[in-house]
Amino acid sequence: DADVTQTPRNRITKTGKRIMLECSQTKGHDRMYWYRQDPGLGLQLIYYSFDVKDINKGEISDGYSVSRQAQAKFSLSLESAIPNQTALYFCATSERLADEQFFGPGTRLTVL
Amino acid sequence: LAKTTQPISMDSYEGQEVNITCSHNNIATNDYITWYQQFPSQGPRFIIQGYKTKVTNEVASLFIPADRKSSTLSLPRVSLSDTAVYYCLVGDRGGYNKLIFGAGTRLAVHP
Repeated sequence: DADVTQTPRNRITKTGKRIMLECSQTKGHDRMYWYRQDPGLGLQLIYYSFDVKDINKGEISDGYSVSRQAQAKFSLSLESAIPNQTALYFCATSERLADEQFFGPGTRLTVL
Repeated sequence: LAKTTQPISMDSYEGQEVNITCSHNNIATNDYITWYQQFPSQGPRFIIQGYKTKVTNEVASLFIPADRKSSTLSLPRVSLSDTAVYYCLVGDRGGYNKLIFGAGTRLAVHP
């Protein structure tokens, strides 16, 4: 089984809808991250979490919120989706901040 | 923040050695250099990390000169499966800036 899983893998939604992307990990890592990637571009950090009680904004947190329900689970929500949030979203984990990150398979989100 | 600069794209042929250079003129004393590889529609995968001189693993080598203002990722005898985007990241082990991915270098390996 994969160490970092993301659900759903693909999602098409409409403008204004609330969307939740979920990430689970079995690596036992404290650190978890959410990134988005637009076509042909690098990854941009949305939020990162040191542990269950510590959540921090990344480069592009506007329009997003997160919830760290447990060490193993980190969810990303789009409160009111808009078309320019159409992107590939990745969850990642690491044992310590900025050490090797392990990425999930990604969620492809399309907002119409 | 230690900004990194990489070539946008590179081309190579199967069996050749590929060297991708990353410039990081503002690297700090505590910063490490890390490289990731990303295939289309997949998450990045850690390749190698180093602080100074040379680091080698089963996949690649990382060369870091004494002034540490640049680093070179070396991929020996590339194959078609090495076609991917390669990212250079710089930051200290506790630092936020090491979480910043630039645009990377798009490597295309041709038959």
